[in-house]
Amino acid sequence: QKEVEQNSGPLSVPEGAIASLNCTYSDRGSQSFFWYRQYSGKSPELIMFIYSNGDKEDGRFTAQLNKASQYVSLLIRDSQPSDSATYLCAVNRRDDKIIFGKGTRLHILP
Amino acid sequence: NAGVMQNPRHLVRRRGQEARLRCSPMKGHSHVYWYRQLPEEGLKFMVYLQKENIIDESGMPKERFSAEFPKEGPSILRIQQVVRGDSAAYFCASSLGTGEYEQYFGPGTRLTVT
Repeated sequence: QKEVEQNSGPLSVPEGAIASLNCTYSDRGSQSFFWYRQYSGKSPELIMFIYSNGDKEDGRFTAQLNKASQYVSLLIRDSQPSDSATYLCAVNRRDDKIIFGKGTRLHILP
Repeated sequence: NAGVMQNPRHLVRRRGQEARLRCSPMKGHSHVYWYRQLPEEGLKFMVYLQKENIIDESGMPKERFSAEFPKEGPSILRIQQVVRGDSAAYFCASSLGTGEYEQYFGPGTRLTVT
């Protein structure tokens, strides 16, 4: 089992709809979870982080964490074409190393 | 601009030459991480450094690659005798600490080996 697993996509979502990105992780001791957005040819940009079970909202973004299921997700409401990018899930292991998933390509259809 | 800075942004080297990539962390950050990313691939951790210390180099190839973060000045990733397979984007990130501390990325250095 990969340490951090994401569906590579592409995930196509109509403009204005909700985009749902999912990530699972293998280390039960993980405490911190991050979502990065990476546009083609650019560096990753931190958009959300979550440490506790439940939901965390920031503008159009909501991160959801379920430690029992070892699952973290990112919801993007009212999707815009500018949201088209690769979204990287990152998880810190109990040894404090942060492991990145390979990313999900999101394509917002105008 | 208090963000993570990397230079050069683009670097072209011939096979066998040396490549030096520099990273200045965000103001107030003392933890630096280097990652490599191949086209259409994920980020691969290479090395984690604090000032004057290598904390974790488990992702670094055993030969030709080295990294440092001196007391003064930027962190440097050095690749000796580059080969075509070293062509990639190299990203530096910095954080206040480990674990729950967020990492912020620089713009990257695109290395091309001809």
